[in-house]
Amino acid sequence: QVQLVQSGAEVKKPGASLRVSCKASGYTFTGYYLHWVRQAPGQGLEWMGWINPDNAVTNYAQNFQGRVTMTRDTSVSTSYMEVNSLRSDDTAVYYCAKLGDSGEFASWGQGTLVTVSS
Amino acid sequence: QSALTQPRSVSGSPGQSVTISCTGSYTVGGYRYVSWYRHLPGKAPKLMIFDVNKRPSGVPDRFSGSNSGNTASLTISGLQAEDEADYYCCSYAGTSTSVVFGGGTKLTVL
Repeated sequence: QVQLVQSGAEVKKPGASLRVSCKASGYTFTGYYLHWVRQAPGQGLEWMGWINPDNAVTNYAQNFQGRVTMTRDTSVSTSYMEVNSLRSDDTAVYYCAKLGDSGEFASWGQGTLVTVSS
Repeated sequence: QSALTQPRSVSGSPGQSVTISCTGSYTVGGYRYVSWYRHLPGKAPKLMIFDVNKRPSGVPDRFSGSNSGNTASLTISGLQAEDEADYYCCSYAGTSTSVVFGGGTKLTVL
């Protein structure tokens, strides 16, 4: 079955950088786009962007352009999402999700809690 | 600010039906793909409806979706206590494009 396993919780200081990983299994990693979504405390789901694991092409939401980088390593079926210049309002749970053939997110990672605090 | 507008909250008694709307600034269906997710604290979102009105395996047929013009809707019939959660609509225009989530609706089962 499809599984997305994310890296563990992180505590970061303002201005630092963050990298969250998402290891995929149970399907052809290069066959489906991987998206990243976050939820800040008390807020809704916020789409951050996607990466095409086949060719590493990315598309970032406007709010994150210039600060977020999504990459992948096909040898280990893993996608990475990096955020730099962290701010307190980047405190959130970050999820990776596999996009299906009908534009649906049927498979999600378990979420990674990131706390940005001085 | 989300481009998809949902009511902040809806409520209903056990056994009743509720409908959650999702209104876009333009035709939600024009995004081509509409899906709905249930989200509980500390859990990953769960897909409830996709492609406007399809249910993944395991989702009860009490959940249904529809789309008309610039509004998509999720209807939950025969409300149960376990349905209490946050629900999000999501729209996607197709390959190599962007995704947008609605602001979320908190469903309370009275």
